Amino acid sequence: QVHLVQSGAEVKKPGASVKVSCQASGYTFTGHYMHWVREVPGQGLEWLGWINPNSGDTHYAPNFQGRVSMTRDTSISTVYMELSSLRYDDTAIYYCAKRDDYNIKIWGQGTMVTVSS
Amino acid sequence: DIQMTQSPSAMSASVGDRVTITCRASRGISGYLAWFQQKPGQVPKRLIYAASSLESGVPSRFSGRGSGTQFTLTISSLQPEDVATYYCLQHNDYPWTFGQGTKVEIK
Repeated sequence: QVHLVQSGAEVKKPGASVKVSCQASGYTFTGHYMHWVREVPGQGLEWLGWINPNSGDTHYAPNFQGRVSMTRDTSISTVYMELSSLRYDDTAIYYCAKRDDYNIKIWGQGTMVTVSS
Repeated sequence: DIQMTQSPSAMSASVGDRVTITCRASRGISGYLAWFQQKPGQVPKRLIYAASSLESGVPSRFSGRGSGTQFTLTISSLQPEDVATYYCLQHNDYPWTFGQGTKVEIK
């Protein structure tokens, strides 16, 4: 059974960085792209980008270009999403989601990131 | 970017009512559209992929239609467990974009 387990909630100050992890199990880690989506309270869902766990190639949404970095560690089947220069409006739940033949079906449980002074 | 305009933003209907949610794309996306259901405090769940294909295990009262720029999600007979926010997602072009969401409540 496919599982995506994310790291725990974070509280960060404005201007800081946060790094969220997503550990995959139950499938071939390098065989499927991993996407990141965030849920901003009261504002809906926003796509951040993807990483190819096999090659390490990435593609980021323009809104996050320059602030987001996605990496992976194949030895532990884990992908990471780091967001820098945090602002108050980056407060959100961040999800990793596994790509299938169509788009994204399996999601992690989410990681709450709160930006507060 | 492709803008996904979803309507209505919220609605209230009675149990057993037929409910239709619409997503309009700012340019053609062929059939590269999915519908997600997100219940309060839960992770989004994909209901429909490829515009009209029902995910395994999803009740048959859910259906999706459309192609190009106009898409609909229909709940043929609204049930109490369908209370949720529904989102469309286009994945024809990067960046992927979601609709703003439709909050469905029971009257």
